[in-house]
Amino acid sequence: GQQVMQIPQYQHVQEGEDFTTYCNSSTTLSNIQWYKQRPGGHPVFLIQLVKSGEVKKQKRLTFQFGEAKKNSSLHITATQTTDVGTYFCAGQMNRDDKIIFGKGTRLHILP
Amino acid sequence: GAGVSQSPRYKVAKRGQDVALRCDPISGHVSLFWYQQALGQGPEFLTYFQNEAQLDKSGLPSDRFFAERPEGSVSTLKIQRTQQEDSAVYLCASSLVQIIYNEQFFGPGTRLTVL
Repeated sequence: GQQVMQIPQYQHVQEGEDFTTYCNSSTTLSNIQWYKQRPGGHPVFLIQLVKSGEVKKQKRLTFQFGEAKKNSSLHITATQTTDVGTYFCAGQMNRDDKIIFGKGTRLHILP
Repeated sequence: GAGVSQSPRYKVAKRGQDVALRCDPISGHVSLFWYQQALGQGPEFLTYFQNEAQLDKSGLPSDRFFAERPEGSVSTLKIQRTQQEDSAVYLCASSLVQIIYNEQFFGPGTRLTVL
């Protein structure tokens, strides 16, 4: 069945360093969403990517959707302590399909 | 309401007990989703409603799991004869329109512990 894989599973960075998490699907996706879950919290929607090769920015966050629509990445520039949490990608193969979440990348910020 | 609410927030059940978990979606949201999130894992899809119609229940792990949304708003996830492997956080999410191209708003979850 469809799988969405994320790497790395964990990432420790010094505050101020950059961070990137990668998401790969075994099948072509119609769209991909990114969510952030703070420790003890629930997933919060960050963004959705739909078009092949799409790049979107939100302040220090840059999201990319691959040309083949099978991979995506989230890059955070100059991390801050407020960036701590787990970042999930979630892909949908077809418009009527359920959304499949990756296992997430847990980001720790070292002060 | 301000967001998706779920109750109870925490539930401890003895193995074999039945439990019912409630979700109040954002008013006017058509779609409602249930997910199961084990510790250290991503949310796993259980089932999806569009209004009162259950359009996809392919993620329900066994026939002990049952979900309903009779009036197209509040939803209940029922687990019969709970087992230890059912211990997880159960997340409910809603979105304004149908499944595609829409962000999902998650509730705080119900943490179920089966002893």
